[in-house]
Amino acid sequence: DSGVTQTPKHLITATGQRVTLRCSPRSGDLSVYWYQQSLDQGLQFLIQYYNGEERAKGNILERFSAQQFPDLHSELNLSSLELGDSALYFCASSVAGTGAGYNEQFFGPGTRLTVL
Amino acid sequence: ILNVEQSPQSLHVQEGDSTNFTCSFPSSNFYALHWYRWETAKSPEALFVMTLNGDEKKKGRISATLNTKEGYSYLYIKGSQPEDSATYLCARRDDTDKLIFGTGTRLQVFP
Repeated sequence: DSGVTQTPKHLITATGQRVTLRCSPRSGDLSVYWYQQSLDQGLQFLIQYYNGEERAKGNILERFSAQQFPDLHSELNLSSLELGDSALYFCASSVAGTGAGYNEQFFGPGTRLTVL
Repeated sequence: ILNVEQSPQSLHVQEGDSTNFTCSFPSSNFYALHWYRWETAKSPEALFVMTLNGDEKKKGRISATLNTKEGYSYLYIKGSQPEDSATYLCARRDDTDKLIFGTGTRLQVFP
């Protein structure tokens, strides 16, 4: 158990809908990262938050947004869902925020999103 | 090399065999190389973080080396066991802190 929690574990929804995925980082970690794992693709970085502020952005679609709250939990909002958004979404957390040495990222169990 | 590449894509070995996989990555603006072990239906588990050229890390029967000048890392498993069956991921971290992952090496160890 990494100490990172994600809810829900599974989510099934229809095209055009909007969903929210939630992540609670390990106690003491200030950074939260979101990754997407689609079929036949490696883990793709979406976005990073550090202590409430957006720190880095990857190939995140405009239909997707995220935020980190004062208690450091984070939510990833996916809207106008398409079939191709079906994937495993992981959240990871780490202590530091920028390229610092052994800044290990610990992964949560993931949320499997199925868009029908 | 522009992306993180891992080889082989998959590997089947007998219990007791030793094995190794390769991770190749761009050597410019390099900060760290991460190795993860990912079992089906679980979350990726951190194995090693390496930052310095020539770094060698070891955890039990698993070890890893790093060459930042030529942009590669090797992961070795000595005396593979069925419980080592998993996908092994490497990821390169630059100064933006995000991890760029390879597609992994899927290892299956047969008893």
